[in-house]
Amino acid sequence: DGGITQSPKYLFRKEGQNVTLSCEQNLNHDAMYWYRQDPGQGLRLIYYSQIVNDFQKGDIAEGYSVSREKKESFPLTVTSAQKNPTAFYLCASSIVTGLAGGEQFFGPGTRLTVL
Amino acid sequence: GESVGLHLPTLSVQEGDNSIINCAYSNSASDYFIWYKQESGKGPQFIIDIRSNMDKRQGQRVTVLLNKTVKHLSLQIAATQPGDSAVYFCAELAGANSKLTFGKGITLSVRP
Repeated sequence: DGGITQSPKYLFRKEGQNVTLSCEQNLNHDAMYWYRQDPGQGLRLIYYSQIVNDFQKGDIAEGYSVSREKKESFPLTVTSAQKNPTAFYLCASSIVTGLAGGEQFFGPGTRLTVL
Repeated sequence: GESVGLHLPTLSVQEGDNSIINCAYSNSASDYFIWYKQESGKGPQFIIDIRSNMDKRQGQRVTVLLNKTVKHLSLQIAATQPGDSAVYFCAELAGANSKLTFGKGITLSVRP
């Protein structure tokens, strides 16, 4: 089956620790995205990548970092600099960015809780 | 500024009735719109999309209407079922390299 997988589904972290969230897709999409969702809120873009070895900051990139060493993988690291990291994190992909890319396909999400 | 917003945070409908979910957008340059459905604890699922050169598009039990004059988008769900209960988001995109902007979402609750 083609799709996007995220792991783990639930993640707990102590304050001051970095944590990395995994995102893998086998859709052969060039573009990948990370969003953050807080209760009762829409999705806010953290980072996106248009192609391997390239990524751009989204609207709320502070305290986060990403890498795109492989087309199918786009891991997100939540660093200790992120002041309010507890949230639901969603990874998505599309054929390309922008209008030509069509809809974004989303993974099942990772719920991160900072203890 | 640019924003995508929904008129109401919640909508309750009787099973079998039609549902209409509304969305306002402010960027007149937006040329692509998507409706997503998100069930509790899951990622959003694509429902239907529409480009700005259209004013209506139909899918299975769903219809999206676009009124560019008043910058308004709506999602109509026919014969609403309990499985339609979820949060619905509209999203817009403007320009070749721009990113999707999501609204805050509206909760659809279906009464048995």
